[in-house]
Amino acid sequence: GAVVSQHPSRVICKSGTSVKIECRSLDFQATTMFWYRQFPKQSLMLMATSNEGSKATYEQGVEKDKFLINHASLTLSTLTVTSAHPEDSSFYICSATLAGAEHLTDTQYFGPGTRLTVL
Amino acid sequence: GNSVTQMEGPVTLSEEAFLTINCTYTATGYPSLFWYVQYPGEGLQLLLKATKADDKGSNKGFEATYRKETTSFHLEKGSVQVSDSAVYFCALSEWETSGSRLTFGEGTQLTVNP
Repeated sequence: GAVVSQHPSRVICKSGTSVKIECRSLDFQATTMFWYRQFPKQSLMLMATSNEGSKATYEQGVEKDKFLINHASLTLSTLTVTSAHPEDSSFYICSATLAGAEHLTDTQYFGPGTRLTVL
Repeated sequence: GNSVTQMEGPVTLSEEAFLTINCTYTATGYPSLFWYVQYPGEGLQLLLKATKADDKGSNKGFEATYRKETTSFHLEKGSVQVSDSAVYFCALSEWETSGSRLTFGEGTQLTVNP
């Protein structure tokens, strides 16, 4: 159980275009989803916390107008990189936590990641 | 604030060797502690967790014990395999102060040679 998927797994785009990445919890409902960015050989950097039905909370230094996050349902959150540039090339990973009062849990379940390359 | 410190890598071992990856933490309250593993090109997988002092998390031959007195959560495995080659992340969360938000260590690259 507790499987999280991401789509696409890899995407290559031209500079100036927008790219949408989907994160889905497949077998559970997730009130909270997280979006991370990971540079080669480094740890994960939290970009934003996304709660279903409300605006995402962005970490300091992350441009909310560039990285648009939508959490429209308990099983889907999307990250849109707008007007992408080569410096946005990275590995983007989402995670989700279980919903419900009985699941006051702090365990995050991670997706497989999306490799974005901006030419 | 919360922080996690892992032993520096990379770590290279021969198959069947004993593994220890050190992890220490700083937290204001009573955090939950986790080890995640990341295989090349993939996301993170939860390896094990412990939610209170003296708890031992275990999975796939890996173990870690929550030591409050030393604020540590060291990862151990008695006999590593080539398939254990990956990056290992120690992490904590403190529900009372930050909900399910995770604080990660820097990660430790493990390579196991046949």
